[in-house]
Amino acid sequence: KAGVTQTPRYLIKTRGQQVTLSCSPISGHRSVSWYQQTPGQGLQFLFEYFSETQRNKGNFPGRFSGRQFSNSRSEMNVSTLELGDSALYLCASNSQGAAYNEQFFGPGTRLTVL
Amino acid sequence: QKEVEQDPGPLSVPEGAIVSLNCTYSNSAFQYFMWYRQYSRKGPELLMYTYSSGNKEDGRFTAQVDKSSKYISLFIRDSQPSDSATYLCAMRTNTGTASKLTFGTGTRLQVTL
Repeated sequence: KAGVTQTPRYLIKTRGQQVTLSCSPISGHRSVSWYQQTPGQGLQFLFEYFSETQRNKGNFPGRFSGRQFSNSRSEMNVSTLELGDSALYLCASNSQGAAYNEQFFGPGTRLTVL
Repeated sequence: QKEVEQDPGPLSVPEGAIVSLNCTYSNSAFQYFMWYRQYSRKGPELLMYTYSSGNKEDGRFTAQVDKSSKYISLFIRDSQPSDSATYLCAMRTNTGTASKLTFGTGTRLQVTL
C-alpha cells in the first residue's frame, strides 16, 4: 500500500506570495491532518479534514486554509507569506476505524520564504 | 509555557547504551501518549502508544507513563546507530478526534560506533 505523498517536496517563495501544498493520503483513509514543523516550536497542528469538511482547527491565522476533495486528497494554502512561515509542512492521514487511530505522516514539503 | 516540554538535546550515546528520553506535560486531559521517530528528511513514524499509566514494552523499546507526575519516558535498550534520529513525544485528549496531537519539540539522538 502506498504511503502518504506530498507535493512538492521543496518550495521557495518570497514574502507576500501565496502557496498551495498538496497531500494524497493512504488509500481508504478519509481523515487528513496538516502540521507545521519548525525548530523552535516543533510540530503544531494546523487543521484536520474528514469527508471534505474541516473537523478541527489549530491556532493559526486565517492566512492558513485548506480543503479536501471527494477522493480524500487535500490541499493547504498559505496566503500573504511571511518569513516566519518557513517550515516543514507535514500531512498525516488515518483510517478513523479504531479507538486509537495511528497517524501516518508524509515526508513533508519544505517551504522557504525569502 | 508549552503544554508539552521535551529536552531538544542533542543526546549522544555509544552503541549498546540504554537511552532515556522524557517529556513532561501540563494538561491533565491528555490521555493517549505516543512516541514518534523522525529520520532526517522524513516524516515522523509511530513507535509506540500508551493509554494508561505504567510500562509498555515492544522489543528494545519501553514506554512509561506516570499520569500523577505528568511525565512520560521512552527507553531504548542496546541502542544501535540506526536509532540515530529525532524522537518526538505526542499526546492527545480522550475527546474529539484522534488527529489533533500535541507534540514535544523533539530530542535529537546520535548513537555512535
